Order: sequence, then structure tokens, then C-alpha cells
Amino acid sequence: EVQLVESGGGLVQPGRSLRLSCAASGFTFDDYAMHWVRQAPGKGLEWVSGISWNSGSIGYADSVKGRFTISRDNAKNSLYLQMNSLRAEDTALYYCAKDTAPYGTWFDPWGQGTLVTVSS
Amino acid sequence: EIVMTQSPATLSVSPGERATLSCRASQSVSSNLAWYQQKPGQAPRLLIYGASTRATGIPARFSGSGSGTEFTLTISSLQSEDFAVYYCQQYNNWPLAALTFGGGTKVEIK
Repeated sequence: EVQLVESGGGLVQPGRSLRLSCAASGFTFDDYAMHWVRQAPGKGLEWVSGISWNSGSIGYADSVKGRFTISRDNAKNSLYLQMNSLRAEDTALYYCAKDTAPYGTWFDPWGQGTLVTVSS
Repeated sequence: EIVMTQSPATLSVSPGERATLSCRASQSVSSNLAWYQQKPGQAPRLLIYGASTRATGIPARFSGSGSGTEFTLTISSLQSEDFAVYYCQQYNNWPLAALTFGGGTKVEIK
């Protein structure tokens, strides 16, 4: 069974940094691209960033470009999101999602999310 | 960035009736479109990919159609467990283009 477990969320002040992690199991991690998708409270889904199977292709939403960095460690079956210069509008539930191909396509399945709250 | 627009924002339907949800892309995404269902407090679940292919375990009452810029998700006979929010997502030409979601359609009980 595929499992994706996010961690690292919490309350952080504006301008500070936070690093999210996603531990993956139940599949061959380095065969698939991986993504972060967020959902602000009461709002819709927003794709944040994605990384191909070998880290050779990376993409970001315009809203986080230059502030967030995605990475993966295939030896540890883990996905990361380094979030710098956090803003109030980054407050959201952050989901880790497995792609169905080595490069960006659709997401299946998703983790349960980790909540990031940016507030002073 | 490709903008995905879903309509209507809310759809009120009686159990057993048909629901038709629309998703429009600001430019052609070919058939590179997926649909997800999200229930309160849960992560989204994949329903459809490639615009019309049902994901594993998805009931046949869910069907997707369309290509280019116009897409439709149809639920042929709504069951109680189908009342949820539905999102479309395009995945055309990543990473040259960002992946984007529509704003969602909430299907509620009439």
C-alpha cells in the first residue's frame, strides 16, 4: 500500500523559514515524480512545486518561485520543501502527492497533509 | 500559466439525478486533464485522468469527456457519497508550464 506521510508543519512568524518532509513507502520512489500541493483554509487546491524522478526537472508556482525549494532523496524515499521568507498567504495545509509517471502528470495518491500557519 | 475555470461554483442536485460539471482551460491542454473528488477533512482522490479514463476503483457512474479547452465530468446518478467538491487539473507540458487546478465545484444535496 502506498503511504505518504508529511511532517514539519507548524506555526511560524512571517519572514521565517520552515522545512517540510514527506516520507514515502509502498512503491519504488525513484520511479515517480513527486509534488507539493497546498490548500488554504476553506479554499481550493494550489499546486506548489514538483520534481521529476531524478531531480532533473523542477517546477514552481509563480506564487512561491524564488522562496521555496523542492528536493528529494531517493535513497531515503523522502521529499522535501524548504520554505523561506514565509508570508501570511502561505498559510495552508500542504499535501505531498505522488505522480503517476517520472515527470509531471496527475497525482495519485495524496498524503493527509501538514498544516503551516504563518502568523505573528 | 494556464488558467482553469470550473462552473458552476455550486451545483445542487437530488440523489439519483445526473450532475454535469464543466472545466475550461485558457488554452489547449489536449487531453492532459484530471479530475479529483474531495470530501470534508479528507485528501483529494483521483477520479479521472487523460480527460476520460477512470482511475482504479472509480465507479462507472463517473465519466469524463472533452479535449482542448472544454471538459466535462458527469456523474450519472448521484449517490449520497458523491456529495463533495470536485477539481479539475491540467498537466500539459510540465515543467515548461506549471500544473494548475480549477477553483472547484461543490456538489450539494438539493
